[in-house]
Amino acid sequence: QVQLVQSGTEVKKPGASVRVSCKTSGYTFTRYGITWVRQAPGQGLEWMGWISAYNGDTKYGQRLQGRVTMTTDTSTSTAYMELRSLKSDDTAVYYCARVGTSQEFEYWGQGTLVNVSS
Amino acid sequence: DIVMTQTPLSSPVTLGQPASISCRSSQSLVHSDGNTYLSWLQQRPGQPPRLLIYKISNRFSGVPDRFSGSGAGTDFTLKISRVEAEDVGVYYCMQGTQFPLTFGGGTKVEIK
Repeated sequence: QVQLVQSGTEVKKPGASVRVSCKTSGYTFTRYGITWVRQAPGQGLEWMGWISAYNGDTKYGQRLQGRVTMTTDTSTSTAYMELRSLKSDDTAVYYCARVGTSQEFEYWGQGTLVNVSS
Repeated sequence: DIVMTQTPLSSPVTLGQPASISCRSSQSLVHSDGNTYLSWLQQRPGQPPRLLIYKISNRFSGVPDRFSGSGAGTDFTLKISRVEAEDVGVYYCMQGTQFPLTFGGGTKVEIK
């Protein structure tokens, strides 16, 4: 069965960077894209960006452009999201999801809490 | 950016009764390939989101048939024919037609 398993909770200081991993299994990794979505406490969903696991092409949301980098490692079927210059309002749960052929977010990771606090 | 507007913000429903959520986009979601990339997700308390419906009306694998989607262009609806206790949560519409992809603000479904 398709699974996306994310890395654990991170606590960071303002100005630091964080890297969240998303290890996939149960399907051919390079056939689907991976998207990242975040959710601040008590808030709705914010799309962060997308990466093709086939060729590494990326699309990022403008709000995070310049601070976020998404990558994949096809040898381990893992996707990564790095966010730099963290601010307190980056505190959120970060999700990865597999993207289907109709831009639907089919399968989701369990979420990773990133807490940015001085 | 395409703005997705959901109504109502909250929907108290009696068990066994229907529920309906509306989603309106600021511009047409018809892609140049002729498809409309509008999906619906459910987020139960403390859980990650779960895909219910994609391309307006296609139920994802394992989704009960009490969930249905309809609409076209800029106006879309998610209907739950008979609400069950496990349907409590927040429902989001999402457009995948144009980058950046955008979500509606969410509709909370709760039991009266």
